[in-house]
Amino acid sequence: GAVVSQHPSWVICKSGTSVKIECRSLDFQATTMFWYRQFPKQSLMLMATSNEGSKATYEQGVEKDKFLINHASLTLSTLTVTSAHPEDSSFYICSARVTAEQYFGPGTRLTVT
Amino acid sequence: AQTVTQSQPEMSVQEAETVTLSCTYDTSESDYYLFWYKQPPSRQMILVIRQEAYKQQNATENRFSVNFQKAAKSFSLKISDSQLGDAAMYFCAPSGGLNDMRFGAGTRLTVKP
Repeated sequence: GAVVSQHPSWVICKSGTSVKIECRSLDFQATTMFWYRQFPKQSLMLMATSNEGSKATYEQGVEKDKFLINHASLTLSTLTVTSAHPEDSSFYICSARVTAEQYFGPGTRLTVT
Repeated sequence: AQTVTQSQPEMSVQEAETVTLSCTYDTSESDYYLFWYKQPPSRQMILVIRQEAYKQQNATENRFSVNFQKAAKSFSLKISDSQLGDAAMYFCAPSGGLNDMRFGAGTRLTVKP
């Protein structure tokens, strides 16, 4: 149980375009989901916390107008990277919380050319 | 607010031997949990072990155990009988109540055959 999926697993987009990443909890409902970004050989950095039906809470330094998060249901959260630039290339990981534990998706590798 | 320090960027252990990964943290929460996650080359985050801060007894999960020193805010992970499959990045993370999970810088564990 407690499986989290992400789609797509990898994506390449051109600079200036937008890309959407989906995060789904497959066998449980998650009131809270988290989005992390991980650069090569670095740790996971929390970008934002999203609660179902309300606006996401962004970490300091994360542009909310660039990284749009929608948590429309208890099983789905989306991250849209708008007007992507090469510096947005990274590995994006979502997680969903059940009580005190967080379950992580497999991640999405974004490459902006 | 939570901060996490993993002072060992890299560790190496001989197969079948024991290794200890260190972690210190700071948190303003009175009730919290502590986690160790493993990230193999696939980059999927895998929960290794968790500890409830209110419990004095150290958590154990098969070959994995922790040494939790609450007053010192220390949470080390001991891996016994190391196996080649234990090679990965290991991240320590406190999580207070309904709060988010933030990670240390990580320790890269190499297992030598």
